[in-house]
Amino acid sequence: RKEVEQDPGPFNVPEGATVAFNCTYSNSASQSFFWYRQDCRKEPKLLMSVYSSGNEDGRFTAQLNRASQYISLLIRDSKLSDSATYLCAVTPSGNTGKLIFGQGTTLQVKP
Amino acid sequence: EPEVTQTPSHQVTQMGQEVILRCVPISNHLYFYWYRQILGQKVEFLVSFYNNEISEKSEIFDDQFSVERPDGSNFTLKIRSTKLEDSAMYFCASIGLTDTQYFGPGTRLTVL
Repeated sequence: RKEVEQDPGPFNVPEGATVAFNCTYSNSASQSFFWYRQDCRKEPKLLMSVYSSGNEDGRFTAQLNRASQYISLLIRDSKLSDSATYLCAVTPSGNTGKLIFGQGTTLQVKP
Repeated sequence: EPEVTQTPSHQVTQMGQEVILRCVPISNHLYFYWYRQILGQKVEFLVSFYNNEISEKSEIFDDQFSVERPDGSNFTLKIRSTKLEDSAMYFCASIGLTDTQYFGPGTRLTVL
């Protein structure tokens, strides 16, 4: 089983749609969880950290389910500018802070 | 806003040559990382560096790779004898007091 697994997509949605991505991780001792956004041939940029209580930042909501070992990202009212690849990242146990990434989920928002 | 910088943005080299990729992490950050991303694949951890030594490295980070922080600002990744399969984007990242990693814009390495 891969350490961090995502559906690669692509997800093609119209502007204004709500879209949800899931990510599963295999190490139950994982400590920190993140969603990054990556545009083509650019660096990953932090979208949001994910907390057990769930967290929201504008149109973006992230949830963590430790029991089932998955993380989700919900994007409401999709914009054309949301088109990108969304990377799930996990910090395993231990304290070096390294990130283990999923392969990313591609989102295409169409007019 | 402070940012991680990397040079060069694109490096082309011949197989078997040595390359050095350079990074300047955010100035008050303490932990430094290198990742690579082969075209069309996921971002992969290579090495973490703290307190002037490697704290963790992946299976990819074999004897051909080394890292150094030669002064108070630069953080370098050296590949001693490049192979075709080393062609990838190489990202440097750093962390300060929070657990948020900030990535540099990357160096695209092409090995011919």
